[in-house]
Amino acid sequence: GDSVTQMEGPVTLSEEAFLTINCTYTATGYPSLFWYVQYPGEGLQLLLKATKADDKGSNKGFEATYRKETTSFHLEKGSVQVSDSAVYFCALRPYGGSQGNLIFGKGTKLSVKP
Amino acid sequence: GAGVSQSPSNKVTEKGKDVELRCDPISGHTALYWYRQSLGQGLEFLIYFQGNSAPDKSGLPSDRFSAERTGGSVSTLTIQRTQQEDSAVYLCASRAGQNTEAFFGQGTRLTVV
Repeated sequence: GDSVTQMEGPVTLSEEAFLTINCTYTATGYPSLFWYVQYPGEGLQLLLKATKADDKGSNKGFEATYRKETTSFHLEKGSVQVSDSAVYFCALRPYGGSQGNLIFGKGTKLSVKP
Repeated sequence: GAGVSQSPSNKVTEKGKDVELRCDPISGHTALYWYRQSLGQGLEFLIYFQGNSAPDKSGLPSDRFSAERTGGSVSTLTIQRTQQEDSAVYLCASRAGQNTEAFFGQGTRLTVV
């Protein structure tokens, strides 16, 4: 079945460091891909998404590009801030069908130190 | 309401008791999901409601778990005879249509003692 694999954390970075969180997926057809973020004490929020190959999702300085050839959707940010400390979840929504639910990776905890 | 609302926010229950968790989705959203977030396990899909269609129950871990959605709006997740391994954060999400964003509630933290 469809699945998402993301790098295990925790990831600890200094402020202004470059961030990459790897995410790869297994799916049939052309799923939609997402990154969700969960800040401490808050609910999951959609960070960015991409719905077709080569699309780049971006938000709040974060970017991820839908790479069909490598089945990847790595999250990047050029300069992280302390306020980016959170748990990041990569997810996919299967293409078509009636299922429609999101399939999540296990999450990667990011801690940014001043 | 403005967002997905879940209640209670925290629930402590004794092993063997039944619990009910409530989700109020965003008004007009036809799709509703329940997920479970266990420590170190990520999000586990439980059940999915879409309009008037039969729900997708494929993620429910045992027959102690059930959910219903009355009138296409509010949903209740029921766990019977709770076990300690049921302790987790239970998240509800809703979305308006097939290719739209899912909005999550803040979850109910269930602790079974």
